[in-house]
Amino acid sequence: QVQLVQSAAEVKKPGASARVSCKASGYTFTSYFIHWVRQAPGQGLEWMGMINPSRGSTSYTQKFQGRVAMTRDTSTSTVYMELTSLTSEDMAVYYCARGTIALPDYWGQGTLVTVSS
Amino acid sequence: QSVLTQPPSASGTPGQRVTISCSGTSSNIGSEIVNWYQQLPGTAPRLLIYNDNQRPSGIPDRFSGSKSGTSASLAISGLQSEDEADYYCASWDDSLNGPVFGGGTKLTVL
Repeated sequence: QVQLVQSAAEVKKPGASARVSCKASGYTFTSYFIHWVRQAPGQGLEWMGMINPSRGSTSYTQKFQGRVAMTRDTSTSTVYMELTSLTSEDMAVYYCARGTIALPDYWGQGTLVTVSS
Repeated sequence: QSVLTQPPSASGTPGQRVTISCSGTSSNIGSEIVNWYQQLPGTAPRLLIYNDNQRPSGIPDRFSGSKSGTSASLAISGLQSEDEADYYCASWDDSLNGPVFGGGTKLTVL
């Protein structure tokens, strides 16, 4: 069955970077996009961007351009999302989700990133 | 402010039928497919409906989706207590060149 297993929760200081991993299994890793979506406490879902694991090509929403980087390691079927220059507004649960180029289907369990001095 | 508009809350009693609306524009719902996701408290979203009205395997037929013009709807019949969750619609947006989500609807089973 399709599984996306994310890394553990992180606590970061303002200005630091967070790096979340997402290990995929149960399907052909290079056949589906991986989307990253975040959810601030008590808020809705916000799409950050996506990566094509086959080509390594990425697309980021304008809000995060210059501050986010999504990479992949095909040897381990793992995708990484790094977000730099963290502020308190970046405190959220970060989800990876498999999908077509358009929309996600299967979701990871989420990774809480706490930003606190 | 979400690109897709959903009512913040909905409610119903066990056995009832409830619908949740999702309003968009010609650059998203009006020209692209819609997915619906269910998020139970403290868990990750789960795909409920894809391609406007298709159910993934394992999703009960109590859940159905429809679309007309620039609006989509999720209907839940035979409401059960375990349906109490947040529901999100999503669609690709041609102008933003990415997926957009509704703000979510919190469903309460009375």
